[in-house]
Amino acid sequence: DGGITQSPKYLFRKEGQNVTLSCEQNLNHDAMYWYRQDPGQGLRLIYYSQIVNDFQKGDIAEGYSVSREKKESFPLTVTSAQKNPTAFYLCASTPRGRRYGYTFGSGTRLTVV
Amino acid sequence: KNEVEQSPQNLTAQEGEFITINCSYSVGISALHWLQQHPGGGIVSLFMLSSGKKKHGRLIATINIQEKHSSLHITASHPRDSAVYICAVRSDTDKLIFGTGTRLQVFP
Repeated sequence: DGGITQSPKYLFRKEGQNVTLSCEQNLNHDAMYWYRQDPGQGLRLIYYSQIVNDFQKGDIAEGYSVSREKKESFPLTVTSAQKNPTAFYLCASTPRGRRYGYTFGSGTRLTVV
Repeated sequence: KNEVEQSPQNLTAQEGEFITINCSYSVGISALHWLQQHPGGGIVSLFMLSSGKKKHGRLIATINIQEKHSSLHITASHPRDSAVYICAVRSDTDKLIFGTGTRLQVFP
């Protein structure tokens, strides 16, 4: 079955280390997205990509980086510049065209200690 | 004011009760999603709606495009339904906007 795979489900890192979260889809979707969730808040957009080798900053991109070298993959790196990286991270994808909905990964919970 | 508002924020119920969670939005949309997030964080996509009503097991989702409102109903609720339920809309400007979620606890 097609879908989005985010791995790992839980991730622990020491403060000051960069960490990369994986997001892979086998749906042939053009657009991919990364969101962040903090307690009591709605999910907020970090970065998105609508085509290979192109990506755009979302509302809270500072301290994060992404790449889109392949259509299937959109990894997110949480850098040491991100002041408060402990959060839940969600990846999503969608085909081109507004009449389609989104497919969601199950998420990765990152804890920085 | 948030573009997607959910109510209530918190909900407790006894096992077997009928539950309704509401989502109102203020933007034009092409689709609306209902998501479930269990303790521990994993997200499960429940429904995608653009009109009418969908049913899956004990879950029913409805949407009224004219009133900009959607409801998620759970019939014969069970403790395993305890989770955060999140409404998200795909706006006409192609942006995905999330509500802040409704935390449901169902007690035996």
